[in-house]
Amino acid sequence: SQQGEEDPQALSIQEGENATMNCSYKTSINNLQWYRQNSGRGLVHLILIRSNEREKHSGRLRVTLDTSKKSSSLLITASRAADTASYFCATGATSYGKLTFGQGTILTVHP
Amino acid sequence: SQTIHQWPATLVQPVGSPLSLECTVEGTSNPNLYWYRQAAGRGLQLLFYSVGIGQISSEVPQNLSASRPQDRQFILSSKKLLLSDSGFYLCAWSPPYRNSPLHFGNGTRLTVT
Repeated sequence: SQQGEEDPQALSIQEGENATMNCSYKTSINNLQWYRQNSGRGLVHLILIRSNEREKHSGRLRVTLDTSKKSSSLLITASRAADTASYFCATGATSYGKLTFGQGTILTVHP
Repeated sequence: SQTIHQWPATLVQPVGSPLSLECTVEGTSNPNLYWYRQAAGRGLQLLFYSVGIGQISSEVPQNLSASRPQDRQFILSSKKLLLSDSGFYLCAWSPPYRNSPLHFGNGTRLTVT
């Protein structure tokens, strides 16, 4: 069963705008990760936030985690056409490296 | 640096035929290895994971099996493919400790006809 659920399922924006994607999960976690997937390719790890962290930055990416609400958000600032991809959240629980992925958000950035 | 190789990139197989997908990792030792399946470009389903040679855990009962004959080699197999086995298969590795990211191969697009 899927643990993480992303919202929205699809997002279409103009270049330069910010993109926000949300993820909700159901059970306790050790960490939450965000991945990006270009069409027909493997997933690329973007950022990992541990359960005792509330916010993390990496370049134009900002991730927040609210364990009381069991939710996370990924913000991409000043988006570019090259950011067009599917974005997935994944939660890690107690087992080594095992992640449960959500259904993903399809982001389209128009030039 | 670490790299992961997965092949073939695409595969078309008839129903009832066998399957063997191979994945190898370079530049690291004792990785955790994973096979995921992705349907229709959406969420990933964990099929198998391995924390060491010969140690395979199955997440979903199905028509598939996995083996790890060497430390950095992970193989996904089937004796007889079903139409429902079609999908995008992704191999991944992670360091052998918690809170570590997964590193994915480029995937194999399997179509069972």
